[in-house]
Amino acid sequence: QKEVEQNSGPLSVPEGAIASLNCTYSDRGSQSFFWYRQYSGKSPELIMSIYSNGDKEDGRFTAQLNKASQYVSLLIRDSQPSDSATYLCAVIAGPRGGADGLTFGKGTHLIIQP
Amino acid sequence: GAGVSQTPSNKVTEKGKYVELRCDPISGHTALYWYRQSLGQGPEFLIYFQGTGAADDSGLPNDRFFAVRPEGSVSTLKIQRTERGDSAVYLCASSWGQGRQETQYFGPGTRLLVL
Repeated sequence: QKEVEQNSGPLSVPEGAIASLNCTYSDRGSQSFFWYRQYSGKSPELIMSIYSNGDKEDGRFTAQLNKASQYVSLLIRDSQPSDSATYLCAVIAGPRGGADGLTFGKGTHLIIQP
Repeated sequence: GAGVSQTPSNKVTEKGKYVELRCDPISGHTALYWYRQSLGQGPEFLIYFQGTGAADDSGLPNDRFFAVRPEGSVSTLKIQRTERGDSAVYLCASSWGQGRQETQYFGPGTRLLVL
């Protein structure tokens, strides 16, 4: 059973601070990892993707991957009220790449307090 | 360019009825996915198409669910004898291919309510 676990929150962070979102996954063979942002009533939007151990930075966002610990995280620097959303961690866990679909966690609800 | 489009945006039906949900992927995308998202949950994978090729329907919950993509572009998800538990947002996504690093782009979803 492929599982992706996230703390559902809500996670409340003051404006301008760093928001840290965490995710663990069960399938050690997982190869690809994604963070999607989903505003209430909207569809998921890709924020970051990461495929190898270490950090990957894109603007205010940094994704971190540790395959040995089966752990992936997303850091948001200088948090803004517009970052308030649900953040979904997703994994491609099967041997057939995208054909196996994305396995999502339940999402973490992030609230940035002005 | 245009993103993934889905119709209808909302569908209300009665228990036992048949519904069809349509997805129009991004032009040129060969891979198409259907997901279902219940309230408070992440999207759940249902089915995958690569072109007009055989679908991976391993995620479909039961034989009341069926999907087609006859010409390798537009796809229709069909639900027979709907049940109240089928109420959810049905999301369609598309990507250039099925590689592990392909980004899946999601449509706005169809919100299905079965009364």
